[in-house]
Amino acid sequence: AQKVTQAQTEISVVEKEDVTLDCVYETRDTTYYLFWYKQPPSGELVFLIRRNSFDEQNEISGRYSWNFQKSTSSFNFTITASQVVDSAVYFCALSEANFGNEKLTFGTGTRLTIIP
Amino acid sequence: KAGVTQTPRYLIKTRGQQVTLSCSPISGHRSVSWYQQTPGQGLQFLFEYFSETQRNKGNFPGRFSGRQFSNSRSEMNVSTLELGDSALYLCASSFGSETQYFGPGTRLLVL
Repeated sequence: AQKVTQAQTEISVVEKEDVTLDCVYETRDTTYYLFWYKQPPSGELVFLIRRNSFDEQNEISGRYSWNFQKSTSSFNFTITASQVVDSAVYFCALSEANFGNEKLTFGTGTRLTIIP
Repeated sequence: KAGVTQTPRYLIKTRGQQVTLSCSPISGHRSVSWYQQTPGQGLQFLFEYFSETQRNKGNFPGRFSGRQFSNSRSEMNVSTLELGDSALYLCASSFGSETQYFGPGTRLLVL
C-alpha cells in the first residue's frame, strides 16, 4: 500500500524567509510519480510539479525548488524568499506509474502561512 | 485552453436526499478522477473513468457512483446522503497517464 506523510501540519514564517515543506512516502512500486499541489483558500488544487521515480535530479522553478532523495524516500519542497501569496495548504502526492492505475495518494497537507 | 469545470460550486442537501455533481474535463483529456476532501479524512480517491469505463475505485460505499459520457464529461452521484458526506468534491482530468489537473470543486453540505 502507498502512504504519504507530511509531518508538518502548520508552518508560519515571516515574509522573505525561506521555508521547506517535508514529504516522506512509502511504496512497494519501483516506478512511481511524486507530486506537489497547492490549495489556496478557493479550494482548487494547483499542480506544481511531477517527478518520476527514476529522475532524482533536483529541480528549481523560480523561487520553488524540490529535493528528491530515493534513499530516504523523501520529496521536499523549498520556497525561497517567501511571499504572502505563497500562503496556502500544500499537498504531496504519490501515484503508481502503471497505465490505468494513476490514482493519487495524498498526504495530509501542510498549511503554510506567510506573515507580512 | 479552459481548465476543469465543476458544477454546481455549492450545494446544500438534507439527509436522505441524493445529489449529482458534474465535471467537464480539459479539452482532449479522456481520464476523469473524483476525490473527496474532508477535514477528518483528508483527500481520498473515489473513482476514475477513462473512455466511459470505470478503471479504478476507492474504498467508498456503493452509495457513491459515477459515470462518464462519450464527450469525457463525468458525473458522480451520491444517494441517501448522510451528514458525513459533507465535503469538498474535487474532479481532476488527465490525458491518459499524465498529470491530473483539478477543478475548483463542489462544496456539499448535508443538513
